[in-house]
Amino acid sequence: AQSVTQLGSHVSVSEGALVLLRCNYSSSVPPYLFWYVQYPNQGLQLLLKYTSAATLVKGINGFEAEFKKSETSFHLTKPSAHMSDAAEYFCAVSAHSGGGADGLTFGKGTHLIIQP
Amino acid sequence: NAGVTQTPKFQVLKTGQSMTLQCAQDMNHEYMSWYRQDPGMGLRLIHYSVGAGITDQGEVPNGYNVSRSTTEDFPLRLLSAAPSQTSVYFCASSGLASSYEQYFGPGTRLTVT
Repeated sequence: AQSVTQLGSHVSVSEGALVLLRCNYSSSVPPYLFWYVQYPNQGLQLLLKYTSAATLVKGINGFEAEFKKSETSFHLTKPSAHMSDAAEYFCAVSAHSGGGADGLTFGKGTHLIIQP
Repeated sequence: NAGVTQTPKFQVLKTGQSMTLQCAQDMNHEYMSWYRQDPGMGLRLIHYSVGAGITDQGEVPNGYNVSRSTTEDFPLRLLSAAPSQTSVYFCASSGLASSYEQYFGPGTRLTVT
């Protein structure tokens, strides 16, 4: 069984500040981890994924995440927030590399607010 | 490629009515799945399919039926709609052609009164 916990349902940062969105997971098998972004009234877009090749994963739009097995964490960061980063972010876990075979287990999401 | 398409975009039902949410993909993906999204709950897996003729239950399957007669289509049926099924529904697909990365449709917003 797998589960995902995202700490903070809402995170507010100033434009230009560091973005840190937290994700902790539990998994009975080596996990594959994903971050998705959802803009208002749209579907989900993959930001990045960890598939055991490298612990530091770089994604689109300047985001990156680090897999820390000892902490069972996969936190998402971006050095400098932009107004266009305002969105809902979801962390997800799967037992499969693409997350497709039997679906993904999602966290409850973090709403990122960017203040001018 | 159109990717993953879902119809309708919006739907209002009365309690007890039935309907089918359509999902189609043109990427020749083997895997397809349905999720529902509720405020503060993230996305939860309803049903999934690993190929034509093969389906299985996810986390919240009650009240929903699926079938997969072709690789391209994966409809979700609500047999007797309830207000608790008011949600946004997303279909997703993945396969070897996309290195098994999941692609999501635009969603169907369903309201049951």
